[in-house]
Amino acid sequence: KQEVTQIPAALSVPEGENLVLNCSFTDSAIYNLQWFRQDPGKGLTSLLLIQSSQREQTSGRLNASLDKSSGRSTLYIAASQPGDSATYLCAVYAGRRALTFGSGTRLQVQP
Amino acid sequence: GAVVSQHPSWVICKSGTSVKIECRSLDFQATTMFWYRQFPKQSLMLMATSNEGSKATYEQGVEKDKFLINHASLTLSTLTVTSAHPEDSSFYICSARKSAGSLETQYFGPGTRLLVL
Repeated sequence: KQEVTQIPAALSVPEGENLVLNCSFTDSAIYNLQWFRQDPGKGLTSLLLIQSSQREQTSGRLNASLDKSSGRSTLYIAASQPGDSATYLCAVYAGRRALTFGSGTRLQVQP
Repeated sequence: GAVVSQHPSWVICKSGTSVKIECRSLDFQATTMFWYRQFPKQSLMLMATSNEGSKATYEQGVEKDKFLINHASLTLSTLTVTSAHPEDSSFYICSARKSAGSLETQYFGPGTRLLVL
């Protein structure tokens, strides 16, 4: 059974810092890995999708990497801003089943 | 891009009543949709896989007679919470799977917040 773990569970940083969120998964046989953002009481916003054949994806200040063999992904956020405050969820997709989500990292960027 | 809608966005009901939540893929057809549930400060947990034209597949611990799923068309899946109780209060999110060749991507609805009094 696939298990997804995210570290840290919570993170508070001053504005402007670069930060790294970690995600690990137990079964490396995945099709893709996706990072989402969730604001309090809201749905999911897809940030980056990395196919299993890719090693990284970039969008603006966000960069996500994937090391499938070791079962790890990182989300790098450059020059963090208060508007980045949210919960970040990592999810993996394997086969015909639904996404398996991690428990998330709650990020607070202090102005 | 692909858009998935959910209706209603929030609902308050009395204990014992039934509530229906709709999930629609607006600009693509989805033979498979998924229903997730999220309790406060927890992650999303898969409840069931909804397959067009066939019975849904439920995850272990999810009562199929309580959470009725109907996927009658390629763009609509419904989740009915029957005889709702306060412990069913949660955030319900659906997703629809879009296939493009060998690539498959899930698109999520905005969620439905259910409060059972």
